[in-house]
Amino acid sequence: DGGITQSPKYLFRKEGQNVTLSCEQNLNHDAMYWYRQDPGQGLRLIYYSQIVNDFQKGDIAEGYSVSREKKESFPLTVTSAQKNPTAFYLCASSIRMNTEAFFGQGTRLTVV
Amino acid sequence: DAKTTQPTSMDCAEGRAANLPCNHSTISGNEYVYWYRQIHSQGPQYIIHGLKNNETNEMASLIITEDRKSSTLILPHATLRDTAVYYCIVRVGPGTSYDKVIFGPGTSLSVIP
Repeated sequence: DGGITQSPKYLFRKEGQNVTLSCEQNLNHDAMYWYRQDPGQGLRLIYYSQIVNDFQKGDIAEGYSVSREKKESFPLTVTSAQKNPTAFYLCASSIRMNTEAFFGQGTRLTVV
Repeated sequence: DAKTTQPTSMDCAEGRAANLPCNHSTISGNEYVYWYRQIHSQGPQYIIHGLKNNETNEMASLIITEDRKSSTLILPHATLRDTAVYYCIVRVGPGTSYDKVIFGPGTSLSVIP
């Protein structure tokens, strides 16, 4: 089945460590996105990528990094520079021209 | 970028129609209105989208005003499973190289028995 997969579902990290969240899609979508969601809040855009080897900062990119070496994959690294990393992270993908975005089921990151 | 505004929360009685409003007064002529919903701790689910005509599918109806500055999502017979946060968004950058999908805080809909 086609879809978008995020792993792991739950992730714990010690303060000061970098951690990478996986996002893979087999929908042949050009565009991929990373969002962060805090309790009771809407989705905030971290990074987005329209094509392979290209990505742009969203509204809250500080403390995060991404790569887009393959069309299917858009991993997000939460670095130690991110001051409040505990959150629910959602990855999405879409075909470029005004089609709906498909979302993964999210990764809940907790910093301990 | 076009922005949307929605009420923070709404209640609806089970079995009644839920009408969720959205304002998007700065929408451009070639931008679409999309609706998603998110049940707690899950990924958002696509509901419906439209450009200027009213749209209906098996989940909902979308009514867009003639001036396209606002729209209403209608769930015709709300059930308890429709309790979720509903996001109204506009797609920015169509026809350009970059097509961001930007979400506002959404409307928290509570369907009450």
